[in-house]
Amino acid sequence: SQTIHQWPATLVQPVGSPLSLECTVEGTSNPNLYWYRQAAGRGLQLLFYSVGIGQISSEVPQNLSASRPQDRQFILSSKKLLLSDSGFYLCAWSIGRLRAEGYTFGSGTRLTVV
Amino acid sequence: GENVEQHPSTLSVQEGDSAVIKCTYSDSASNYFPWYKQELGKGPQLIIDIRSNVGEKKDQRIAVTLNKTAKHFSLHITETQPEDSAVYFCAAPWTASKLTFGTGTRLQVTL
Repeated sequence: SQTIHQWPATLVQPVGSPLSLECTVEGTSNPNLYWYRQAAGRGLQLLFYSVGIGQISSEVPQNLSASRPQDRQFILSSKKLLLSDSGFYLCAWSIGRLRAEGYTFGSGTRLTVV
Repeated sequence: GENVEQHPSTLSVQEGDSAVIKCTYSDSASNYFPWYKQELGKGPQLIIDIRSNVGEKKDQRIAVTLNKTAKHFSLHITETQPEDSAVYFCAAPWTASKLTFGTGTRLQVTL
């Protein structure tokens, strides 16, 4: 069966510090991978998605970047965090390139920038 | 791209009553409509989905209905229980590889 791992679960970082959040998927190959951000009490904002190694699409201009160094690994990064980067970050995967179905989300990382 | 509207934003029901959440979408070509449940501090989990070739799908106390002509779909929860309290999101395909989500409904089941 497929599983998705996301870490860390919580993170408190000072303004201006770097960020690296990691997400890995097991039990499938060539998944679509996504990073979402959720502000407190708000909806799901798509930040990045990837349909293959090295293929990253950005949905909104921001202080963040994403990379996919391996088929089942998706990394969210920042060189210098801002207060506005605080939020709940969710990684997700789905099957196939032509099917936006069956999104499975990770357990999330709560990031607080202080 | 697809636009999904979700109502209501908050919903409070008494235990044992039914809850209904509605979503509308804009792209008539959309053919897949999932619903997610997000408990506090956790990632959303898929609870039920429906494809455009059926009008209704049921799984125990939850059901989803789809009206393709009117371009709306609804989540129905019967005999609500306290553990149903959560935020619920509807979604529809945005492109071949992305879903667009509604803004969420916070359901509170009171005793």
